[in-house]
This record gives sequence, structure tokens and C-alpha cells, in this order.
Amino acid sequence: QLVLTQSPSASASLGASVKLTCTLSSGHSTYAIAWHQQQPEKGPRFLMKVNSDGSHSKGDGIPDRFSGSSSGAERYLTISSLQSEDEADYYCQTWGAGTVVFGGGTKLTVL
Amino acid sequence: QLQLQESGPGLVKPSETLSLTCTVSGGSISSSSYYWGWIRQPPGKGLEWIGSIYHSGSTYYNPSLKSRVTISVDTSKNQFSLKLRSVNAADMAVYYCARSYCSSSCSAVGYFHHWGQGTLVTVSS
Repeated sequence: QLVLTQSPSASASLGASVKLTCTLSSGHSTYAIAWHQQQPEKGPRFLMKVNSDGSHSKGDGIPDRFSGSSSGAERYLTISSLQSEDEADYYCQTWGAGTVVFGGGTKLTVL
Repeated sequence: QLQLQESGPGLVKPSETLSLTCTVSGGSISSSSYYWGWIRQPPGKGLEWIGSIYHSGSTYYNPSLKSRVTISVDTSKNQFSLKLRSVNAADMAVYYCARSYCSSSCSAVGYFHHWGQGTLVTVSS
């Protein structure tokens, strides 16, 4: 079964970097994923697609501070030079034959 | 640029049918390489995919909702719609419509890259 696992919460200081992790279920380590950001009281916004080889393609207007990478079944979102507006929920999403799956989301707190 | 706008009643009675429409502007719903989907988010919870449709009418649904969901497309109006039957309190959520990129083959729904702003649907008598 295709499942995405995310840590419920993360925190980092203003100006620092943070790396969020999304883990694909066993047998699905070659799947690409997408990262979405949801700021408080707003709808989701597509950030980027991350492939199994670590290559990534970002959405329009996404700052260079956001980058993606991969290792095995893990897909990462790294945010550098954290700003207050980066405090948000971050969801990963993947897709397979006839299905779409979201991770449970990670709530990022900027200290 | 592409915009998606959800519309429909904000209040639905238990056991009745929730009906929402997503109007697409700035792009054609008949374009290849894209699926059009519905996602919902109960208050304080995460995102749940409901289902997606291609302009040809081909659909995929979340197995947990499949028995109650119908998604349809009207290419002449550049709209697609959601019907969720027999709603209950657990169906109260913000409902989003979104476009996903499925590449040239479109053998799967793909990743969502354009989202509507969402509409809150309350289930109450």
C-alpha cells in the first residue's frame, strides 16, 4: 500500500535552515513526490516535485531558498534562511496507478 | 494565468448530497497532460484526495469515498463538479479543486500544481 510518512512537527530558528522528510512506504522507493506549503488560514501552494534521483522542479515564483533532494525512500524539502512566513504546514503528495496519497503533514515553527 | 474557483452551498443537511463546481479560467480544461481533482481538509486536519477526472471523463476515486462520489466534467463551460452523497458530520471540510500534471502519457493522476482557494462546507441540520 502506498503511504507517505511525515513527522508531525519541526522547528528551527529565524535565518537558519531546516530539512523536512517524507518517507515512502516499502516497495515504493522510486516514486516521485510533490511538496505543498499551507500557510495559516490559506489554501495549499505547490512548491516542487522531487524525483527519486534527487532532481526537482519548482513551481512558479518559489524562492531559491527552497530545494528538494532524495535518498532511498526518503524525499526532502530543505528551506534555508528561514523567514517568518515559512511558518506553515508542509505536505508531501505522491501518485500511483489510480490513486493519490498525501502525507499527514509537518507543522513547521520558526522560532 | 490559471485560476480555479470553487462554488456551491456552504451548508448541507445530513444525509443529503453535497454539490460543488470548480470553474477554470486562464486555461482550457480540455488540455492534454492534466487531471482535475477534488481534495478536502476537515478542520484542523490534513489533506485528503477525493478523486480526479480527465477531460475525456475518465475518473479515479479515493476507495474510501468511491461509493458516495461522482466527479463530472463540462468542457463547454470549462468546469468540473463534485457530488458527495449521504453526507454526515465527518464530511464537513474545506473542499479544494486543483489541477494535476500527469505528463504526456497520463497513466496516473500526477501531482497537483495549481490549487483553488477552497470553500468550507458545513454539514448540519
